[in-house]
Amino acid sequence: QQQVKQSPQSLIVQKGGISIINCAYENTAFDYFPWYQQFPGKGPALLIAIRPDVSEKKEGRFTISFNKSAKQFSLHIMDSQPGDSATYFCAARAGTGANNLFFGTGTRLTVIP
Amino acid sequence: GAVVSQHPSRVICKSGTSVKIECRSLDFQATTMFWYRQFPKKSLMLMATSNEGSKATYEQGVEKDKFLINHASLTLSTLTVTSAHPEDSSFYICSAIINLVDTQYFGPGTRLTVL
Repeated sequence: QQQVKQSPQSLIVQKGGISIINCAYENTAFDYFPWYQQFPGKGPALLIAIRPDVSEKKEGRFTISFNKSAKQFSLHIMDSQPGDSATYFCAARAGTGANNLFFGTGTRLTVIP
Repeated sequence: GAVVSQHPSRVICKSGTSVKIECRSLDFQATTMFWYRQFPKKSLMLMATSNEGSKATYEQGVEKDKFLINHASLTLSTLTVTSAHPEDSSFYICSAIINLVDTQYFGPGTRLTVL
């Protein structure tokens, strides 16, 4: 059973455009929602993360929007660049200690010049 | 800070041999490390959680005798794939957490190819 559902599976965006990736979850015990960026042949790198006590977090061109009542969260990449082309994973964690990090299925983003 | 390294980055071995993969936290002490497996274009699948000085906790369906995990120090965990077979070919990734800090820091991964 997929604990975190992610869409779309792939996304093509024009340079300068906005990339939006969505995730949804069911487990209300989740309390930490990170996004990871992974380039081919590399390990995932933490991009940005949010906790459910805030509805939005912005770091540079990356913004997480969080809707606690709908149990959904999304990543927005503003002014998308070709260098942003990578696979993005959302994740969710229940409880403390960073155990049981549940990953979404990933979104392959391609930003075309 | 919070750098995690893996060695080797790539390994090719013959079927039936054993392969050891090292995961090191370079600038912090990690009481807990995690081992994941990732198939091409797929998500990360947690294999086991490794705590320093104790036995690893394996996820359902992961053979502990097949994938031996040792967490001998606060900066090193190893994954040994015993009697490797072609179906064990995959991308293996470790991560580590800093004690009392939530974020998982991932290593660069190890590509294992079993011929």
